[in-house]
Amino acid sequence: GAVVSQHPSRVICKSGTSVKIECRSLDFQATTMFWYRQFPKKSLMLMATSNEGSKATYEQGVEKDKFLINHASLTLSTLTVTSAHPEDSSFYICSAGTRGTGLYNEQFFGPGTRLTVL
Amino acid sequence: GQNIDQPTEMTATEGAIVQINCTYQTSGFNGLFWYQQHAGEAPTFLSYNVLDGLEEKGRFSSFLSRSKGYSYLLLKELQMKDSASYLCAVSGAGSYQLTFGKGTKLSVIP
Repeated sequence: GAVVSQHPSRVICKSGTSVKIECRSLDFQATTMFWYRQFPKKSLMLMATSNEGSKATYEQGVEKDKFLINHASLTLSTLTVTSAHPEDSSFYICSAGTRGTGLYNEQFFGPGTRLTVL
Repeated sequence: GQNIDQPTEMTATEGAIVQINCTYQTSGFNGLFWYQQHAGEAPTFLSYNVLDGLEEKGRFSSFLSRSKGYSYLLLKELQMKDSASYLCAVSGAGSYQLTFGKGTKLSVIP
């Protein structure tokens, strides 16, 4: 099956620093990647949709200058949390979309990155 | 926009059957997904419904009624490892995008 990896799986950083999270589709080409954020005991909230070679589309309330998304190739998207603050501490999950052979467009999730900002 | 409702928590006994309901109001609809998520892990795909009716896959089944904006996930022969959050997600028309419900935390007890 389709595999999506994320790196790092866990990161702890100081307030004010920037953190980059990578999302890779390992055995398929993903035309679209999604970035989600999940706070403890809450559901996944879509942050942005990223299409290869174009600017990401951000959801309402998500600061594009704070959460920089780059989707340079069909297998890699990166999310950079700039000038991170403790309130940015969360579980960040990416997913990659590909056209399925069945009735639906499939979306495969990475294992997530736990960000803790001190 | 999308509005998705599901119960916050449920408890069921090992070996029993449990049904997790999901209702949705959407401006566009392409299909409904169910995902399982264990604490601290990413969601894993369970099922997808686009047509009305029941889709059965082993111990898990999912039902959809498009006219009623309603779905349920049925888990049979519950096992302790089924303790997890179950997320209902709706896919918009012509889009990969998923809108997730808040999830139902299922606790399976001996």
